[in-house]
Formats: sequence, structure tokens, C-alpha cells
Amino acid sequence: GQNIDQPTEMTATEGAIVQINCTYQTSGFNGLFWYQQHAGEAPTFLSYNVLDGLEEKGRFSSFLSRSKGYSYLLLKELQMKDSASYLCAVRDSNYQLIWGAGTKLIIKP
Amino acid sequence: IAGITQAPTSQILAAGRRMTLRCTQDMRHNAMYWYRQDLGLGLRLIHYSNTAGTTGKGEVPDGYSVSRANTDDFPLTLASAVPSQTSVYFCASSDMTGTDTQYFGPGTRLTVL
Repeated sequence: GQNIDQPTEMTATEGAIVQINCTYQTSGFNGLFWYQQHAGEAPTFLSYNVLDGLEEKGRFSSFLSRSKGYSYLLLKELQMKDSASYLCAVRDSNYQLIWGAGTKLIIKP
Repeated sequence: IAGITQAPTSQILAAGRRMTLRCTQDMRHNAMYWYRQDLGLGLRLIHYSNTAGTTGKGEVPDGYSVSRANTDDFPLTLASAVPSQTSVYFCASSDMTGTDTQYFGPGTRLTVL
């Protein structure tokens, strides 16, 4: 079967750096997405990786290793507004997105 | 409007009743999707449509039907609601080019009693 694994919950301090990991086992690979979802709101797109390596976008970076079936989202200079769930999704060989259950990130002052 | 809208925002429904969740996008995206989100689970695809006039089944299609009469609208119908269909429902769309990123509507919170 297809599987996306992420930690259920993480806690970090305002101003610090946090890394959220995602491992996947899917039938085929056509890209990996990270989304942010604040409580009670819709998921919003953060980043996309299809080739190995690091993609940087402001305070957020996303890394992919296809050979290891692994990605991480790195958040720097954490702000209180970064408290949210972070969803990892992989596009499989049928071109459908397979979603992880999400990682709830709690930021403490 | 800009983006994707969904209606209603929330609904409480008696089991056995019929319900249609509405979704409209104004981005002229070819593809549209319906997901359900339940606590502790990832988003699960119910149905999708790659272009007006065509639809396909996702991971959890049973008990749901969709239609795609035009580019903008993609309603989801529960013919006879059951309590296990209590969930948050998100509609999304994508343009099927480049990264083919999916963009989500605000969601409908449905409770079936």
C-alpha cells in the first residue's frame, strides 16, 4: 500500500528553527508538496520538490531525497503565526496526491 | 470572487437525507477535486474531474456522486447521508500545467446525525 509518515506533533520556540520530516512509500513518484493548514482553515501551498535537493523560499525550505523516500520542511526564525499543521503529499504514478496525516506544530514564546 | 468558494460553510444533516455541497472556482482550472479530512487521517480523495464533462473515482467514492457540467462548478452529492460521512469536505482545483499545484476552497463542515 501507499504510505506517508510524518510526526503527529512538534513543539518549538519562537525565533528558533524546526525541521519536519516526511517519509513516503508510494507507487511511483511525480513530485512532493508541502502545505500549511491553520486550524479551521484550508490547506495552502508552501513548496514543491520533484528533483533531489533543497528548495529555499524565504524562511521556509524543503528538501527531497528520492532514493531515500524522504523529505523535510525547514522553518527558520519561527513566528507565532507559524503555529499550524504541515501536510506532506506525494503525487503517485496515477498522478493523484497521497497525503500524510499532517504534523501539528506548536510554537511557544 | 477570486479563487474557490464552497457552500454551505457548515451543515447539520439527519441521516438518510440528501445533500449537495457546492464548489465554484473562477481560475479557469481544468481539474477539480473533492477531499474529506478526518482527524488523524490525511486528506482522502473522493472524486475528481480532469475536465468539464468527465469525472473519476478517488480513494473513497462510495456514497458520493459528482458532476462537472462546466469548468467552474463541481458539486458533490450525498444521496443518503450516513453518520460516517461526518467530516470536513474540501474542494480543490488545479490547472494541470507546470507543478499542477492544487488550490483549496475554505471547506464545508458536515455533521450527519
